[in-house]
Amino acid sequence: LAKTTQPISMDSYEGQEVNITCSHNNIATNDYITWYQQFPSQGPRFIIQGYKTKVTNEVASLFIPADRKSSTLSLPRVSLSDTAVYYCLAPSKAAGNKLTFGGGTRVLVKP
Amino acid sequence: EPEVTQTPSHQVTQMGQEVILRCVPISNHLYFYWYRQILGQKVEFLVSFYNNEISEKSEIFDDQFSVERPDGSNFTLKIRSTKLEDSAMYFCASAPAISYEQYFGPGTRLTVT
Repeated sequence: LAKTTQPISMDSYEGQEVNITCSHNNIATNDYITWYQQFPSQGPRFIIQGYKTKVTNEVASLFIPADRKSSTLSLPRVSLSDTAVYYCLAPSKAAGNKLTFGGGTRVLVKP
Repeated sequence: EPEVTQTPSHQVTQMGQEVILRCVPISNHLYFYWYRQILGQKVEFLVSFYNNEISEKSEIFDDQFSVERPDGSNFTLKIRSTKLEDSAMYFCASAPAISYEQYFGPGTRLTVT
């Protein structure tokens, strides 16, 4: 199971782009990088998943360099409602399909 | 959009009592999970369930815990004799296949006094 490291917290302002970088130096060849979002007193919510290069959906973009030792979640033009904890996961197929959450990055969007 | 539901939203119980937390996963999903989050701490995996049996369980999921899918819609977590340290938010999740894209419910806050 790849250990992930991400900033504990980040502050931003409405309308800005927020980039959260996660390092996963020992990610295995077959493992995907997965990001979840959690609002206070709610369950985690899947945001995006990728293997390499760039993945984009209606919520975020995920950039993964060729060596896959890190990844960056990009949230375009954040609003106050994007204030949440963002988790980077590198779940291992060898460990089954359970999700192992770390401490996440607490993003605070200010007006 | 279909979603996972959980009842009750908040359960208060006394130490030593049995509690059953209920979840209704998304209807066409086949994989079911329970996670918990102690206040201010990480989300922790408890158990996964597929084809009417446990696929995997964590060290937390000891003999005091059990899961059941009593009918085609409900998925329950039972704690036989609650302890103070069982106080946490319990999240149910489901997925249509083996996937890291799991759909979480809103959680049940369990308070053991």
